[in-house]
Amino acid sequence: RKEVEQDPGPFNVPEGATVAFNCTYSNSASQSFFWYRQDCRKEPKLLMSVYSSGNEDGRFTAQLNRASQYISLLIRDSKLSDSATYLCVVNRNDYKLSFGAGTTVTVRA
Amino acid sequence: AAGVIQSPRHLIKEKRETATLKCYPIPRHDTVYWYQQGPGQDPQFLISFYEKMQSDKGSIPDRFSAQQFSDYHSELNMSSLELGDSALYFCASSSHLNREQYFGPGTRLTVT
Repeated sequence: RKEVEQDPGPFNVPEGATVAFNCTYSNSASQSFFWYRQDCRKEPKLLMSVYSSGNEDGRFTAQLNRASQYISLLIRDSKLSDSATYLCVVNRNDYKLSFGAGTTVTVRA
Repeated sequence: AAGVIQSPRHLIKEKRETATLKCYPIPRHDTVYWYQQGPGQDPQFLISFYEKMQSDKGSIPDRFSAQQFSDYHSELNMSSLELGDSALYFCASSSHLNREQYFGPGTRLTVT
C-alpha cells in the first residue's frame, strides 16, 4: 500500500467551475504536507504547503485533517491553465518526500 | 528568481555505460535531493545531502552514488547502466530551515 493515496481522477470541469479532491496518508508521524502540480514531462512545481489551520492562496484552498489523515485541495473559478496533475506530497521527520500518484484535472473551455 | 539547474537536460547512453548528472541548487539552499521518475509513475526518492553529508537514503541502487560538494552542487553517478534506468531524474533543493523542496527541470536519461 502506498504511503500516500490520491483520488486519481480524471476530473474534467468547465472553465469557472470549482473542483476539489483529496488524498490520504498512512504514516501518522508525517509532519509536513504539500500540493505540487506537474505538467506533462516537466518538473513538479510547489503549489502550496498545507497547514493544520488550513490555508488559502488565491483560488486555491488546502485543508489538513490530522485526525483522519487526509489532505484536500479546492480550486475555485478554474482556468484552462489549471489543467495539470496535482501531486499530494507528505514529509515525515526526515528529508525525503513521499508522493501520491497524482490527480489529473482537465479544465475545458 | 534563480531556480535549480540540472545538466545535461537529455542524455542517451548504452547499456553498461556510466553517466554523471549534475545539480546546482537554488542559492543559499543547503540541502539537495535526487528523485527518479519512470514513465507514468510518481517521483521516487533516491538520496539526499545536507551540508555535504548524506542525510537520507531511499531506493537508490548500489550501482549509483552521489555526493554534494563544497559549493553545494551535487552529482549523481550511475554505473553499469541498465535499460530500466531510463527515466527522468529530478534534483530538488531546500533550506534545512524549511522543508519546501524546489525541483529542477530534470535530466531525461535514455539507456539503449
